[in-house]
Amino acid sequence: EPEVTQTPSHQVTQMGQEVILRCVPISNHLYFYWYRQILGQKVEFLVSFYNNEISEKSEIFDDQFSVERPDGSNFTLKIRSTKLEDSAMYFCASSGLGPLHFGNGTRLTVT
Amino acid sequence: DQQVKQNSPSLSVQEGRISILNCDYTNSMFDYFLWYKKYPAEGPTFLISISSIKDKNEDGRFTVFLNKSAKHLSLHIVPSQPGDSAVYFCAASVDGNNRKLIWGLGTSLAVNP
Repeated sequence: EPEVTQTPSHQVTQMGQEVILRCVPISNHLYFYWYRQILGQKVEFLVSFYNNEISEKSEIFDDQFSVERPDGSNFTLKIRSTKLEDSAMYFCASSGLGPLHFGNGTRLTVT
Repeated sequence: DQQVKQNSPSLSVQEGRISILNCDYTNSMFDYFLWYKKYPAEGPTFLISISSIKDKNEDGRFTVFLNKSAKHLSLHIVPSQPGDSAVYFCAASVDGNNRKLIWGLGTSLAVNP
């Protein structure tokens, strides 16, 4: 069965550094998403992406975040200047007309 | 802002018995509800969904019930199996838009052999 794959599985970075989280969505899916889950808290919607542009974003997705689909297969989330509170599991997901399929997540630790 | 609430953080059930996981919501605009299952170190996996025009949806051992007047839904697993042990998330969305999902905190289910 096709899968959403995310790399790396764990990323450690220093506060203020830029990070790029990578995702390869399922190939025939058209919608792409990022969600995050801070330890002990809810899974939270960050952004959805369709037809090469952001279709919806949450209040969390401020100017320090950006997404890109640079080459038709990868879907990336960039955090420009990481803060301690950005430490979380970041889940990429993709979908066609059906439910979302999630990757296994990248655990981001900001020190 | 807890629009979707799963009030039981954990549930323990004997193998072969029924597991009932509950979810309450406050936003009357929600019209599409989903259950996801999550194992440790994996992403959430879609389990079953229901739209607000129905009050029940069944898929094998899994049945979701929706009570719109009570703003309550439940997931029944019968019979429960040890492999069902996971965290179960209830999620909801508006306008049948399954893309922007609002999630509950999850219920950790343990099915004991």
